[in-house]
Amino acid sequence: RKEVEQDPGPFNVPEGATVAFNCTYSNSASQSFFWYRQDCRKEPKLLMSVYSSGNEDGRFTAQLNRASQYISLLIRDSKLSDSATYLCVVNDRYGGATNKLIFGTGTLLAVQP
Amino acid sequence: GAVVSQHPSRVICKSGTSVKIECRSLDFQATTMFWYRQFPKKSLMLMATSNEGSKATYEQGVEKDKFLINHASLTLSTLTVTSAHPEDSSFYICSARDSTGGGGNQPQHFGDGTRLSIL
Repeated sequence: RKEVEQDPGPFNVPEGATVAFNCTYSNSASQSFFWYRQDCRKEPKLLMSVYSSGNEDGRFTAQLNRASQYISLLIRDSKLSDSATYLCVVNDRYGGATNKLIFGTGTLLAVQP
Repeated sequence: GAVVSQHPSRVICKSGTSVKIECRSLDFQATTMFWYRQFPKKSLMLMATSNEGSKATYEQGVEKDKFLINHASLTLSTLTVTSAHPEDSSFYICSARDSTGGGGNQPQHFGDGTRLSIL
């Protein structure tokens, strides 16, 4: 089983649609969670951290369910500029103070005009 | 916000050449930096963890003599791909996390990446 699993998509949605991405992780001891966005041939950029209580940043809402080891990202009112690959990222601790980011393969979103 | 600078952004060279990639944290100190590799349409794979003042920690399957890492200061880590071959062609990305306050669960910030093409 992969450490972080995501549906690779693509998700093709019209402008203005609401779209949700899901992610599961295998290590129940995982420390923290993030969603990154990666545009084609570019580096990943942090979209938002994911907190246990759930958090919202504008049109983006992230949820974490530790019991089910499940993370989600909801995008409301999709814009053309939201088209990108969304990476689910889990920060695991492997002894001492060194943390290690584990990346999902990403979910490709294509917002259509 | 935190900025990580990576240089060069693009390298094209002949097989057998050694290539050095630099990763700098511009406005924060990072005792630990990370080097990733990403093949087309694949996820980022951690290659090694670069530790300031000590040896890097390599992931399983990554040859330490092939990918030399030096982390000489709190703001600079370098990755040298020695005697590069076409199969080493990939997108190499570094990341760093602000180590003040322990670093802990702070998000990592990525450099722009280096696209390496070996002919």
